Amino acid sequence: GQNIDQPTEMTATEGAIVQINCTYQTSGFNGLFWYQQHAGEAPTFLSYNVLDGLEEKGRFSSFLSRSKGYSYLLLKELQMKDSASYLCAIPGGSYQLTFGKGTKLSVIP
Amino acid sequence: KAGVTQTPRYLIKTRGQQVTLSCSPISGHRSVSWYQQTPGQGLQFLFEYFSETQRNKGNFPGRFSGRQFSNSRSEMNVSTLELGDSALYLCASSLEYRALTGELFFGEGSRLTVL
Repeated sequence: GQNIDQPTEMTATEGAIVQINCTYQTSGFNGLFWYQQHAGEAPTFLSYNVLDGLEEKGRFSSFLSRSKGYSYLLLKELQMKDSASYLCAIPGGSYQLTFGKGTKLSVIP
Repeated sequence: KAGVTQTPRYLIKTRGQQVTLSCSPISGHRSVSWYQQTPGQGLQFLFEYFSETQRNKGNFPGRFSGRQFSNSRSEMNVSTLELGDSALYLCASSLEYRALTGELFFGEGSRLTVL
């Protein structure tokens, strides 16, 4: 089976940097996704990592270590609009994603 | 380019009733997936369709069913509703026709309340 763990909630200050961790267990690895979901809205794609290392996309970066079953999402220069849930997900066999329960990030002034 | 459209957005049903939810994917996307989202369990996979064929099904009882039409639009049906079926039902479309390595585009969801 598959298992994904993320912290339930985090709070950070506007302008700061926050790291959201995700650990996973899976029998076959086909990459890891991060999605952002604002309250009452649809999840939207942030990143996809299939190789080890850091991938940077503007203020957001995602890191993957396949040997450790570990990923993190790094958000820099936090803005109030970054307050959202961040979902870590891995393909669970073909055609489906297994999601973590999400990390609710609150950005405070 | 229009996004994924789900209807209805909100609905209230009573126990024992059935419900049908509709999803229109992004034009050109032939893969449609359905997920259930609840505060306690998060996002859970229901099923996935491609070219009118169900390719995978999640761990949900037979009361949950779906189908896909030739124009890639999809419907899901829940029969004999239970209180625990109250959730946000999300549809997602994708270009992928092999193992999922691509981005999913989600609709806004249909929020079902069962009384």
